[in-house]
Amino acid sequence: EAGVVQSPRYKIIEKKQPVAFWCNPISGHNTLYWYLQNLGQGPELLIRYENEEAVDDSQLPKDRFSAERLKGVDSTLKIQPAELGDSAVYLCASSPRGRGNGEQFFGPGTRLTVL
Amino acid sequence: GNSVTQMEGPVTLSEEAFLTINCTYTATGYPSLFWYVQYPGEGLQLLLKATKADDKGSNKGFEATYRKETTSFHLEKGSVQVSDSAVYFCALSDLSTNAGKSTFGDGTTLTVKP
Repeated sequence: EAGVVQSPRYKIIEKKQPVAFWCNPISGHNTLYWYLQNLGQGPELLIRYENEEAVDDSQLPKDRFSAERLKGVDSTLKIQPAELGDSAVYLCASSPRGRGNGEQFFGPGTRLTVL
Repeated sequence: GNSVTQMEGPVTLSEEAFLTINCTYTATGYPSLFWYVQYPGEGLQLLLKATKADDKGSNKGFEATYRKETTSFHLEKGSVQVSDSAVYFCALSDLSTNAGKSTFGDGTTLTVKP
């Protein structure tokens, strides 16, 4: 079974430029998460989807960040414009339908560097 | 709100030494508890889990027991190997109050030397 796929793995951009990250969750997983991981810290939730619906986006900085999961499968996270402080690893995770036990399956992440 | 506090690192051990990484939590409901491991350049992988009080999770020689009375979930391994070098994250998922939302600690970096 394929795991969570993310692309690109690395991205270097200049500040004020836009950037987008893509995630394809494990097949059949209805819940998708985007996390921000700063160096030396644990993941912090940006947004959580149940199918197409964003059910928790309270931590998403909506002035510059946006996300979509149009068909309830893959998802895109966008930053426009990027700022120096956005340099971090962006992790995508998924989990199966229903509450389960809370276990999440993570992708390898996209490491963003803003110059 | 929920929170997870982990033992600060980094932790450096010699091969075959005993490992303990402390983790305590605060939660309003009845959380499930997890340890995830992150190897360099990779995403987090589930190491072990426990879903109710007094449960013991175990995997690859690692163990952790869900202690409700002390709100703890300490990770232990009797004899570490060089290949255990990684960052370890304690996490909780409080399904009773907020389905699917997880809270992570800041991670503890473990380095095992031959």
